[in-house]
Amino acid sequence: DAGVIQSPRHEVTEMGQEVTLRCKPISGHDYLFWYRQTMMRGLELLIYFNNNVPIDDSGMPEDRFSAKMPNASFSTLKIQPSEPRDSAVYFCASSRDRSLHTFGSGTRLTVV
Amino acid sequence: AQSVSQHNHHVILSEAASLELGCNYSYGGTVNLFWYVQYPGQHLQLLLKYFSGDPLVKGIKGFEAEFIKSKFSFNLRKPSVQWSDTAEYFCAVVRSGGFKTIFGAGTRLFVKA
Repeated sequence: DAGVIQSPRHEVTEMGQEVTLRCKPISGHDYLFWYRQTMMRGLELLIYFNNNVPIDDSGMPEDRFSAKMPNASFSTLKIQPSEPRDSAVYFCASSRDRSLHTFGSGTRLTVV
Repeated sequence: AQSVSQHNHHVILSEAASLELGCNYSYGGTVNLFWYVQYPGQHLQLLLKYFSGDPLVKGIKGFEAEFIKSKFSFNLRKPSVQWSDTAEYFCAVVRSGGFKTIFGAGTRLFVKA
């Protein structure tokens, strides 16, 4: 298994632009999680899905952030418009049950 | 609300020193517990987990952790660290049957060669 695949690995964008991060979970994993990691706030859960349905999006910072999971093998996290304070590493993780996570390599986002 | 507290934000050790990283959680019910490691520039990887049974769990690379229910603790240990153990270590807790894994703030370990 290739593990959780995220793209792109790095993204540099200008403030105000739309950013889309992508994730392919491990096949057979019913849970998908989006996390954000910063020096100041550590690892924060943004949203998670179960069987493609968003279950808890209370961690999504504001309306500029949205996430979708159109099918079991693909999810996106979109930021529109992006701001410099969104700069962080965004991790996707998947899980067969709710607890044990397998993380992707992350997307390092820089908004200038 | 659940919370996870890691006592040390930064730890510096020399090679061959013993390691113990503290982790305490706030939830009083049955929990599943994890330690993840993040090597520089990499993603989080599972070191070890506790679901039930023997409270002393052994993970990869010589790490172990002990669940002490009365102290709400799950401390990570290694008898002799190596330079390659330089990484950030995260403790995580989820309520059994629950939905959300709570991660600690992480402890950055630097091992001097």
